[in-house]
Amino acid sequence: EAEVAQSPRYKITEKSQAVAFWCDPISGHATLYWYRQILGQGPELLVQFQDESVVDDSQLPKDRFSAERLKGVDSTLKIQPAELGDSAMYLCASSFGVDYGYTFGSGTRLTVV
Amino acid sequence: GENVEQHPSTLSVQEGDSAVIKCTYSDSASNYFPWYKQELGKRPQLIIDIRSNVGEKKDQRIAVTLNKTAKHFSLHITETQPEDSAVYFCAATTNTGGFKTIFGAGTRLFVKA
Repeated sequence: EAEVAQSPRYKITEKSQAVAFWCDPISGHATLYWYRQILGQGPELLVQFQDESVVDDSQLPKDRFSAERLKGVDSTLKIQPAELGDSAMYLCASSFGVDYGYTFGSGTRLTVV
Repeated sequence: GENVEQHPSTLSVQEGDSAVIKCTYSDSASNYFPWYKQELGKRPQLIIDIRSNVGEKKDQRIAVTLNKTAKHFSLHITETQPEDSAVYFCAATTNTGGFKTIFGAGTRLFVKA
């Protein structure tokens, strides 16, 4: 079964430092999403790509977060500087299209100290 | 803005009983409704979905029903087993006027052996 690859699985960083997450979607999935999930809550969309273009980044804190998917395949999410409130699980997902089910990666659990 | 409400937040059932989780959505243009299961420490996984042109869909012990008029949809799990214990998320997707998927807050299901 095809999987969405994410790395790292865990990341501990000090506040004000920079951190980056990587995601490789399932081959052929044009739509890629980054979600943030706080323990006990549902996933919250940060950014959505269609191929290499950003479709929705309305919930992305653009003063500190950035995301790119330069060749329309893998993607990187960056936080600079990290804040204590950024501690959460960061999930990447991909799908054939917006009205198809997602396949989620295993996520990166970020702890900011 | 668009919203998906999910109830109950916690559900405890005896093994073998049925479990029902309900979601309501606000955007009448929503046309795709997936359900995800997230076991502790794992990624959300798509378990069943339904499109707006269908009223009911079944896959073994799980089924989903959709009432477009009332704007609500439900997940039904019959003959529950301990391995059904997890957090279940509903979602509603709109692909008109901008693509958007909104997740519910989740239902924590406990199946007691």
